[in-house]
Amino acid sequence: SQELEQSPQSLIVQEGKNLTINCTSSKTLYGLYWYKQKYGEGLIFLMMLQKGGEEKSHEKITAKLDEKKQQSSLHITASQPSHAGIYLCGADTGTSYGKLTFGQGTILTVHP
Amino acid sequence: SAVISQKPSRDICQRGTSLTIQCQVDSQVTMMFWYRQQPGQSLTLIATANQGSEATYESGFVIDKFPISRPNLTFSTLTVSNMSPEDSSIYLCSVEGSAGNTIYFGEGSWLTVV
Repeated sequence: SQELEQSPQSLIVQEGKNLTINCTSSKTLYGLYWYKQKYGEGLIFLMMLQKGGEEKSHEKITAKLDEKKQQSSLHITASQPSHAGIYLCGADTGTSYGKLTFGQGTILTVHP
Repeated sequence: SAVISQKPSRDICQRGTSLTIQCQVDSQVTMMFWYRQQPGQSLTLIATANQGSEATYESGFVIDKFPISRPNLTFSTLTVSNMSPEDSSIYLCSVEGSAGNTIYFGEGSWLTVV
């Protein structure tokens, strides 16, 4: 089974709507990274969470790591077409320094 | 933040040939990581490259197919050898930021093997 499950796989929303993407790990997370990727391009770092219960925000994007450090959520408030892309969560599960295991990604489409 | 440059950004390659991808970082880093992202898939770690030692490969990846060089603390190359269409992927390098709480990725090298 997948170490890191991301849901939903795809999401289509109307501009202005709020949305949430979830990332669930079968192992304890030593660090959880959120990235955004445009089709065919590299990854843009969004946020990194380490502590149970931690929450970080950047502009209209908020990410949380639950107390048990096995699940994270990414929430976008008042979505805009510029938010469209692929969102990936990457987990540091403590197996090797700097090594990340990635979820399958969530494809976000925002209709104007 | 770390600025990572990858070359080439895209290429179309003939079956059976080899291609070397370069990754240049604007600061010295201890470890560099190479990932592969096959079409419609997520990222999979190929290997970890330390300066002055052989790269450490993940299960399913071997040095003969993906030789890696790490001549200094700001540069690494990944070669994809004897390419087949199954090697068509985006290849990305990543490094840890100087603050230790961020992992940055390059823009990726999108290879298509025909």
